[in-house]
Amino acid sequence: AQSVTQLDSQVPVFEEAPVELRCNYSSSVSVYLFWYVQYPNQGLQLLLKYLSGSTLVESINGFEAEFNKSQTSFHLRKPSVHISDTAEYFCAVSEGSSGDKLTFGTGTRLAVRP
Amino acid sequence: NAGVTQTPKFQVLKTGQSMTLQCAQDMNHEYMSWYRQDPGMGLRLIHYSVGAGITDQGEVPNGYNVSRSTTEDFPLRLLSAAPSQTSVYFCASSYSGTSGDTQYFGPGTRLTVL
Repeated sequence: AQSVTQLDSQVPVFEEAPVELRCNYSSSVSVYLFWYVQYPNQGLQLLLKYLSGSTLVESINGFEAEFNKSQTSFHLRKPSVHISDTAEYFCAVSEGSSGDKLTFGTGTRLAVRP
Repeated sequence: NAGVTQTPKFQVLKTGQSMTLQCAQDMNHEYMSWYRQDPGMGLRLIHYSVGAGITDQGEVPNGYNVSRSTTEDFPLRLLSAAPSQTSVYFCASSYSGTSGDTQYFGPGTRLTVL
């Protein structure tokens, strides 16, 4: 069975500083990996995903994540955060045999301070 | 497109009452699912459907029923509400249900069971 671990429940950071949100997964088969973002009082929306090919994937708002198969990780990074990046970030995994069933991590709350 | 819509946004129930959470999507997506979000636990899959007339259980199905009579609608029924069902409920849909599809989430229903 697949599982996702997000070790950091909260990450406080100052505006314009870099940030890394960690995600590790456990699965015995090939996986697809996702980062979803949830702004306050809203539903989740896709930030980026890894399906195959280049291990580095990017979002339109400056986030990137790198799939590392040997370390079973998919950490999310941004070189310079904005106040508007304050949100909760969820890492998720689906296995090729399970269709679109997602297993989510427990989430990391990113708090950007001025 | 309205995307994924959920009603109601808020609901308070007494223990033992029943109710239906509504979910609809106008994107002609085959795959629909229900998650619950609890503090510190991320999102957990309750039930899902790969198409009209087909439903299956997720990780936490007990106490919930679903049906899928049309492609657009996927209601979630609480048969006899319990305080443990106090949570935020999200409906999601994706195009085909094959692994790697982006899931689109509704805005959520916040349910309190007294």
